[in-house]
Amino acid sequence: AQSVAQPEDQVNVAEGNPLTVKCTYSVSGNPYLFWYVQYPNRGLQFLLKYITGDNLVKGSYGFEAEFNKSQTSFHLKKPSALVSDSALYFCAVKDPGGGFKTIFGAGTRLFVKA
Amino acid sequence: SAVISQKPSRDICQRGTSLTIQCQVDSQVTMMFWYRQQPGQSLTLIATANQGSEATYESGFVIDKFPISRPNLTFSTLTVSNMSPEDSSIYLCSAGDSRGEQYFGPGTRLTVT
Repeated sequence: AQSVAQPEDQVNVAEGNPLTVKCTYSVSGNPYLFWYVQYPNRGLQFLLKYITGDNLVKGSYGFEAEFNKSQTSFHLKKPSALVSDSALYFCAVKDPGGGFKTIFGAGTRLFVKA
Repeated sequence: SAVISQKPSRDICQRGTSLTIQCQVDSQVTMMFWYRQQPGQSLTLIATANQGSEATYESGFVIDKFPISRPNLTFSTLTVSNMSPEDSSIYLCSAGDSRGEQYFGPGTRLTVT
């Protein structure tokens, strides 16, 4: 069965510093991996995805994520955090051979302090 | 990408009543989904709305409690029936393709008193 874990409930970072939000996954085949962001009182927004190809994928708002097959990880990164990046971030995984269902992680709350 | 609208955006309902939430997509999409989310928590998939056939429900969710319609490729409704305070939550509609990328509506915040 597929699963996804976000080991940190909360990440705190100072504005201008690099940020990392961690995600690990478990899926039987080659996974489709996603990051979504949810700003306060708003729906989820798609940030980026990994389907195949280059292990480093770039997405919206300057975010990127690195797929590491050996470590089964897909950590979200940004070189320089902004206060406006403060939000709830969800990692998600889909097993290509497992129907249409996508599994979402528990979420990590990012706080960027000015 | 797709733009998703939901209505109502929020409602306060009395227990025992039902509420129907509408979801409209600005383009034809393969998949539509309904989720439930407690504020600040993860998403729980209620069901996949299938166009022209019965929805596919996840474990713990049944059609009698959460009937879903999807009459075409751009529209779906979710009804929360015979509501109780435990149904208070945010209900999210999403649209996507078979690869898994999804676009979400703004959500419907439901409070049952």
